[in-house]
Amino acid sequence: EPEVTQTPSHQVTQMGQEVILRCVPISNHLYFYWYRQILGQKVEFLVSFYNNEISEKSEIFDDQFSVERPDGSNFTLKIRSTKLEDSAMYFCASRDGLAVAGELFFGEGSRLTVL
Amino acid sequence: GNSVTQMEGPVTLSEEAFLTINCTYTATGYPSLFWYVQYPGEGLQLLLKATKADDKGSNKGFEATYRKETTSFHLEKGSVQVSDSAVYFCALRVSSGSARQLTFGSGTQLTVLP
Repeated sequence: EPEVTQTPSHQVTQMGQEVILRCVPISNHLYFYWYRQILGQKVEFLVSFYNNEISEKSEIFDDQFSVERPDGSNFTLKIRSTKLEDSAMYFCASRDGLAVAGELFFGEGSRLTVL
Repeated sequence: GNSVTQMEGPVTLSEEAFLTINCTYTATGYPSLFWYVQYPGEGLQLLLKATKADDKGSNKGFEATYRKETTSFHLEKGSVQVSDSAVYFCALRVSSGSARQLTFGSGTQLTVLP
């Protein structure tokens, strides 16, 4: 069964460092998403991406964040200069464009720990 | 704005007990409603969904009915198993745009004891 894969599963970094989280969405999907979950808190929407551009972003997704689909298969989230409060589980998701209420398929998450 | 409020956890039940996890929502527009489940060490998986009022979503013995009058989408299962131990998330999406994102509740940790 096709699935969304994310790497790394866990990354530890120093405050101020750049981090890139990688995702390989399901191959025929058109919409891509990043969510995050700070420990013990809600899963929060960060950004959605369609047709090679950001279609929507939340207030969390500030200038420190960027997304890219560099090669038609990967979908990356970059944090330019990490802060302690960026420590969270980051989930990538994708869906096809066939139905408005279509299912989002999520990856297993990348846990980011900022020290 | 859109928001989802779900029952605080953790919830601990014995095997074969009846499960209810409450979920209520507020939404601008007409939302689709979802329950996602996260098993230990895994990603979020869609458990069931309902796209209009009075629809009942069901999967793996779980059910939830879209109640517009009470703005609720409570998750139920008649007889839980140890393998149902997971975190359950209620979510909504207002389908006014094709790229619309999900709004999640805070999640409810369920532990089922043998």
